[in-house]
Amino acid sequence: GENVEQHPSTLSVQEGDSAVIKCTYSDSASNYFPWYKQELGKRPQLIIDIRSNVGEKKDQRIAVTLNKTAKHFSLHITETQPEDSAVYFCAAPHFDGGYNKLIFGAGTRLAVHP
Amino acid sequence: DAGITQSPRYKITETGRQVTLMCHQTWSHSYMFWYRQDLGHGLRLIYYSAAADITDKGEVPDGYVVSRSKTENFPLTLESATRSQTSVYFCASGQGSYNEQFFGPGTRLTVL
Repeated sequence: GENVEQHPSTLSVQEGDSAVIKCTYSDSASNYFPWYKQELGKRPQLIIDIRSNVGEKKDQRIAVTLNKTAKHFSLHITETQPEDSAVYFCAAPHFDGGYNKLIFGAGTRLAVHP
Repeated sequence: DAGITQSPRYKITETGRQVTLMCHQTWSHSYMFWYRQDLGHGLRLIYYSAAADITDKGEVPDGYVVSRSKTENFPLTLESATRSQTSVYFCASGQGSYNEQFFGPGTRLTVL
C-alpha cells in the first residue's frame, strides 16, 4: 500500500524566515497531493494542493512543488509569521477497491518564534 | 465550519463498553470518512463511505463498525472499547477522490 513519509517532525524558525517540509510517497499512481494545516486544538484544514500535471503551485506565501520522478513533494512557506505555527500534514492517495484513499504523513510541528 | 458536526466532543468510557460517535454534515457530500489521530501517527483512516449504504475499510478498521443509512449521517461505533482506542476521532466529508476533505471539530475519547 501507499507509504507517506514526512520530514522533519518538528521545525523551529524565526519570524520572517522560510520553512520547508518534505514528503515522499511510494505509490507511483498517486496524482493528487494536498497539504493540511492543524492549529492547536483545531480541526485540519486544506491550505493548498497540487495535481500531477503541474510541478509547482503558489498561493501567496505558500507553495508546493512536486517531483513525480523522485516521488516527493514539498511545502514551502516564505516570510513566516507566528500564525503559521501549527502542525502540517501532507497526504497522497492510494487506490484500493474503487476509491483513492488519502494516506497522511505523520505531521510536522512548525513553531515560528517572534 | 458549521456544515459538519460531531458529538459528543469529549467522552470518557470504560474498557468493554460500547461507544457511538456521531457525525452529521449538511453539504450533501457523497463521501464521508472517519480518522483517528494519535501522536506520531498523523491521521489514519478507519472507515469511509462513498454514498448511503456503501462503506469500506480504511487503514485501521479493527474494533470499529460504521453505518450510513442517510447521506448526512455517518456514526462510528466501538463495539467493545479498549484502551488502545483512546484517541481523537475526526469525521470528514468531501465530494470525491481529488477534492478537499472538510473535517469536523473532533471527538476526544478516553478509554479507562
